[in-house]
Amino acid sequence: EPEVTQTPSHQVTQMGQEVILRCVPISNHLYFYWYRQILGQKVEFLVSFYNNEISEKSEIFDDQFSVERPDGSNFTLKIRSTKLEDSAMYFCASSENYEQYFGPGTRLTVT
Amino acid sequence: QKEVEQNSGPLSVPEGAIASLNCTYSDRVSQSFFWYRQYSGKSPELIMSIYSNGDKEDGRFTAQLNKASQYVSLLIRDSQPSDSATYLCAASGMGSGSRLTFGEGTQLTVNP
Repeated sequence: EPEVTQTPSHQVTQMGQEVILRCVPISNHLYFYWYRQILGQKVEFLVSFYNNEISEKSEIFDDQFSVERPDGSNFTLKIRSTKLEDSAMYFCASSENYEQYFGPGTRLTVT
Repeated sequence: QKEVEQNSGPLSVPEGAIASLNCTYSDRVSQSFFWYRQYSGKSPELIMSIYSNGDKEDGRFTAQLNKASQYVSLLIRDSQPSDSATYLCAASGMGSGSRLTFGEGTQLTVNP
């Protein structure tokens, strides 16, 4: 069964550094998303992406964040200058239409 | 602000019992509703989707939607210890590709 994959599974970085989180969505899906979950809190929407552009973003997704689909399979989330409060699980998801399927997540730890 | 509210839990049921999980939403624009299961340290796993009023059954799971009351529920029949997880209710608006708004989740423990 097709799955969303994410790399790395765990990323440790120092405050102020740039990180890139990578995702490979399910191959026939057209919509891609990033969510995050701070430990003990609810899953929060960051951004959605369709037809090579951002279709919606939340107030969390500020100028420090960017997304890209650099080729036909990868979908990336870049955080330009990480802050301590960016420490969270970051989930990529994809959908053909309504049902979103999540990847295993990347645990980002900012020290 | 679009909100999805769930029973704070935790909910504990004996093995074989029916577990009932509830969710309300505030945004009447919400059209699609989902239940995800999340094991500790893992990602959300889609278990049910429901789009129209009424019941939808899939194996041991039944989702119920009442748009007039803005209420969604999930029933798990013949609960098993492997069902022990946090159950997340999520809502999205009209159209493919809409964001999901999640509730806080209800932690379910099924006791052998």
